[in-house]
Amino acid sequence: NAGVMQNPRHLVRRRGQEARLRCSPMKGHSHVYWYRQLPEEGLKFMVYLQKENIIDESGMPKERFSAEFPKEGPSILRIQQVVRGDSAAYFCASSPLVEQYFGPGTRLTVT
Amino acid sequence: DAKTTQPPSMDCAEGRAANLPCNHSTISGNEYVYWYRQIHSQGPQYIIHGLKNNETNEMASLIITEDRKSSTLILPHATLRDTAVYYCIVRVEGSQGNLIFGKGTKLSVKP
Repeated sequence: NAGVMQNPRHLVRRRGQEARLRCSPMKGHSHVYWYRQLPEEGLKFMVYLQKENIIDESGMPKERFSAEFPKEGPSILRIQQVVRGDSAAYFCASSPLVEQYFGPGTRLTVT
Repeated sequence: DAKTTQPPSMDCAEGRAANLPCNHSTISGNEYVYWYRQIHSQGPQYIIHGLKNNETNEMASLIITEDRKSSTLILPHATLRDTAVYYCIVRVEGSQGNLIFGKGTKLSVKP
């Protein structure tokens, strides 16, 4: 059973571009969480999704950030018009119900 | 904010037991204590969780005090690969909500 997959593992974007981060949950998992980890800081929750539904987006910045988890395909975290402060590691976790299994993360660098 | 307090860092000699403390004085009756760790640049990894009884698995042991206000994660024979940041998290069992990570304890296992 493959683990949680994230791609790309590293992403470089210039200021103002869009970043799209993908997360493929473990087989059979219908819950996805996104977390952000700024340099030298702990993980911060961003958004919790189930298939086709956003359950909790209380940790998402109000502007430029969006997330989806379609019926088919991976979950996508989209950051529009990236700024240097968006540089961070973005982790997703998938869950069958309660326990969360984390992916290897996507390291976003905004130049 | 995290509901737990951990020392920022600890050292341990290779082959010795590593005992990582965690204070959770405001823990509720239905909240479990979870431990995760994050090895450098990787996604967090689940270690163990418990309610009030001591727990043991192939990775570690969890000792919870009788009043449940603190706990200790024990790695019985630490190796260099156990060097990581260890996070203690309290969470309602069965909760589908996000994990709240504090700053954790940076454990350095030294040869």
